[in-house]
Amino acid sequence: KAGVTQTPRYLIKTRGQQVTLSCSPISGHRSVSWYQQTPGQGLQFLFEYFSETQRNKGNFPGRFSGRQFSNSRSEMNVSTLELGDSALYLCASSLEGTSGRASEQYFGPGTRLTVT
Amino acid sequence: AQSVTQLGSHVSVSEGALVLLRCNYSSSVPPYLFWYVQYPNQGLQLLLKYTTGATLVKGINGFEAEFKKSETSFHLTKPSAHMSDAAEYFCAVSDNNDMRFGAGTRLTVKP
Repeated sequence: KAGVTQTPRYLIKTRGQQVTLSCSPISGHRSVSWYQQTPGQGLQFLFEYFSETQRNKGNFPGRFSGRQFSNSRSEMNVSTLELGDSALYLCASSLEGTSGRASEQYFGPGTRLTVT
Repeated sequence: AQSVTQLGSHVSVSEGALVLLRCNYSSSVPPYLFWYVQYPNQGLQLLLKYTTGATLVKGINGFEAEFKKSETSFHLTKPSAHMSDAAEYFCAVSDNNDMRFGAGTRLTVKP
């Protein structure tokens, strides 16, 4: 069974631009969660999508948004990029999502975004 | 609100020595606890998890962790470190809303 895939793996953008990141979950998984990882803040939860609906949201500004398609693939969008948005963005899929607390998450390799 | 504290951002051990990575949590509901490992330029991989039942949990690569409710701890151990264990380790706690991660502990294994 193929793992979680994320595209692109690396991305360089300029302040003020917007970016869209993509995540394809493991086949059969209905939940996709997004995390931001930085050296200073560590791993921070962005949001979770389950069956095309945003189920949970972390403490991030409205510039960060996402969506999930009927095939469970998810995209994350960041508008008006700031230097502080430079980070590794990780996507994780699971069968039940965060509401199924015992359901472990399977992580993709991440997209490293650099904002200049 | 739930939270996770990992004591020690860096731990260094000699090959063959005991590995002990510390994790303390707070949770308003009975916790579900996880340990993940991250190798350079990769995502996180689940090592083990505790949900209910036996408090000593065995995971992959020889790691295990013990849930101690009275101490609100979930420390990760391995009897004998291997060079391939060098990585960053994250403890996480899950409630009904999201999964919270600790700041991580970078493990270095010296030959």
